[in-house]
Amino acid sequence: QVTLKESGPALVKPTQNLTLTCSFSGFSLSTPGMRVSWLRQPPGKAPEWLARIDWDDGKFYRSSLKTRLTISQDTSKDQVVLEVTNVDPADTASYYCARETRNRPPFDFWGQGILVTVSS
Amino acid sequence: DIVLTQSPGTLSLSPGERATLSCRASESVNNLYLAWYQQKPGQAPSLIIYAASRRATGISDRFSGSGSGTDFTLTISRLEPEDFAVYYCQQYGSSPPYSFGQGTKVEIK
Repeated sequence: QVTLKESGPALVKPTQNLTLTCSFSGFSLSTPGMRVSWLRQPPGKAPEWLARIDWDDGKFYRSSLKTRLTISQDTSKDQVVLEVTNVDPADTASYYCARETRNRPPFDFWGQGILVTVSS
Repeated sequence: DIVLTQSPGTLSLSPGERATLSCRASESVNNLYLAWYQQKPGQAPSLIIYAASRRATGISDRFSGSGSGTDFTLTISRLEPEDFAVYYCQQYGSSPPYSFGQGTKVEIK
């Protein structure tokens, strides 16, 4: 079965960089049409899409955060990594990774999420 | 980017009642690429409707979606206790960005 799980630090200081890892199983990101996105959800607010990486290594970013985000994949480990540079308290949120398959329902599988707090 | 506006912000209803949630887009949503998610406290969002009206796998037929263009609706025909949650609409497609509405909370009256 398909599973995804986020990992990373729970607390980060302002101006530091944040690295989050999405470890998944039950599918291969090398399969044509497969995609993995990162999303985040500040406490009490709606989810916000951040970045997506596709089976062909195509990458897409939220325009307002593009300069601070880097998404990458490690196909040998079935992992997708998101780096967020120069974090700010406004980056405090639960971060999720989610799977998509082209021409199929969107975000059909999500990780459990990881709460990241940015505070000094 | 497409902006999605959901209404109402909160819906107070009793079990067994019908819930009608609205999602309005700032421009036409192509190819009905409109989804609805349910989120319960402490959990990730869960897909319930995609392509505006198609139920995701395992979703009860109490849930139905409709609409096109810029106006979409999620209807829950008879609220069960497990349906009280926050619901988000989302615009998706082959090319990001994707956007979410701000959510409608369905609470027990």
